[in-house]
Amino acid sequence: DTGVSQDPRHKITKRGQNVTFRCDPISEHNRLYWYRQTLGQGPEFLTYFQNEAQLEKSRLLSDRFSAERPKGSFSTLEIQRTEQGDSAMYLCASSLGGGADPYEQYFGPGTRLTVT
Amino acid sequence: GEDVEQSLFLSVREGDSSVINCTYTDSSSTYLYWYKQEPGAGLQLLTYIFSNMDMKQDQRLTVLLNKKDKHLSLRIADTQTGDSAIYFCAESNQAGTALIFGKGTTLSVSS
Repeated sequence: DTGVSQDPRHKITKRGQNVTFRCDPISEHNRLYWYRQTLGQGPEFLTYFQNEAQLEKSRLLSDRFSAERPKGSFSTLEIQRTEQGDSAMYLCASSLGGGADPYEQYFGPGTRLTVT
Repeated sequence: GEDVEQSLFLSVREGDSSVINCTYTDSSSTYLYWYKQEPGAGLQLLTYIFSNMDMKQDQRLTVLLNKKDKHLSLRIADTQTGDSAIYFCAESNQAGTALIFGKGTTLSVSS
């Protein structure tokens, strides 16, 4: 399967612990995005990478959150000192670069985080 | 700021047409999108429309865009039980670097 993959699919952690999620984008895609989705809501943008450069961060991305994309391939999203309000589905998406192509983002299955 | 609004629920009978509506605020969006999300799954891109088009048809899906009113709709012909899901409308943000999603419309199809 050559789609976007995410690991783990589910994570249960205690408040105050750190967690890290991984996303592997579609191999030829140079753009990668993280979104967060809570129950009954649409996905909300967190951050965006073009290759290895993190070019945009949402105000939702507090200083407890950090994302990396070393070498412009897979990406990790780390949440430090988790809070119950961090419980959500974390979605990763990837797309080809800009220009004339449609701005099609392809999503992974998500990582569901539960903070107890 | 950018905002996307959708009605929350739609219930139809199998074989009928479904129409899901969406309004958006950013007139500079180049593309507008429809995504489908089934329970416990990620989002599947269904279709998109370029902002200089009024209509796009793709098999059972028809997208209508009224740019003046900033209104987008998705029509699903011959709706099947497998179409039951949450449908999200999305527009690009002003920088073109992220998607702004509505809250989603839950489509329920009864047989």
